Amino acid sequence: RKEVEQDPGPFNVPEGATVAFNCTYSNSASQSFFWYRQDCRKEPKLLMSVYSSGNEDGRFTAQLNRASQYISLLIRDSKLSDSATYLCVVNGGTYKYIFGTGTRLKVLA
Amino acid sequence: DVKVTQSSRYLVKRTGEKVFLECVQDMDHENMFWYRQDPGLGLRLIYFSYDVKMKEKGDIPEGYSVSREKKERFSLILESASTNQTSMYLCASSGPVSNQPQHFGDGTRLSIL
Repeated sequence: RKEVEQDPGPFNVPEGATVAFNCTYSNSASQSFFWYRQDCRKEPKLLMSVYSSGNEDGRFTAQLNRASQYISLLIRDSKLSDSATYLCVVNGGTYKYIFGTGTRLKVLA
Repeated sequence: DVKVTQSSRYLVKRTGEKVFLECVQDMDHENMFWYRQDPGLGLRLIYFSYDVKMKEKGDIPEGYSVSREKKERFSLILESASTNQTSMYLCASSGPVSNQPQHFGDGTRLSIL
């Protein structure tokens, strides 16, 4: 089993739709969690950290479920500009950042 | 904002050459990392450093070495470039505690001919 798993997609959604991605992790001792956005041939950019209580930033909401060992990202009112690959990152120690292979989102006009 | 700068966006080298990739960060971060990213494989850690002159192997260190002589600079060296090292190379830095995210440079797309 991979340490961090994501559905590769692509998720094809119309503009204005709500879409959610999950990411599962295998190490119950994992300490911190992040979502990154990566555009084609560009570097990953931090979208948001994921806190135990959940957190929201505009149209984006991240949740952590420690009991079931997954994190989620919800995007409301999808825009064409949200089309990208979304990477889940799990930190199991100061130097150990484990990346999922990403979920590809396409928002269609 | 954290700024991580990689020396080249695109680089073309020949098999057998010694290749240097440079990375500089301006946030006084203790930790710096080198990854490569290939289609279908995601990001794979090559080396990381948690302090000046300190380095640790990542998951795929073979064929690479690193240097960290100053806190802000972390160099990746391909001792004798081979075609299977053609890839996107990403440098990242992070602060000293595990709940701090990594910040990435723009990446270097390296082609070995």
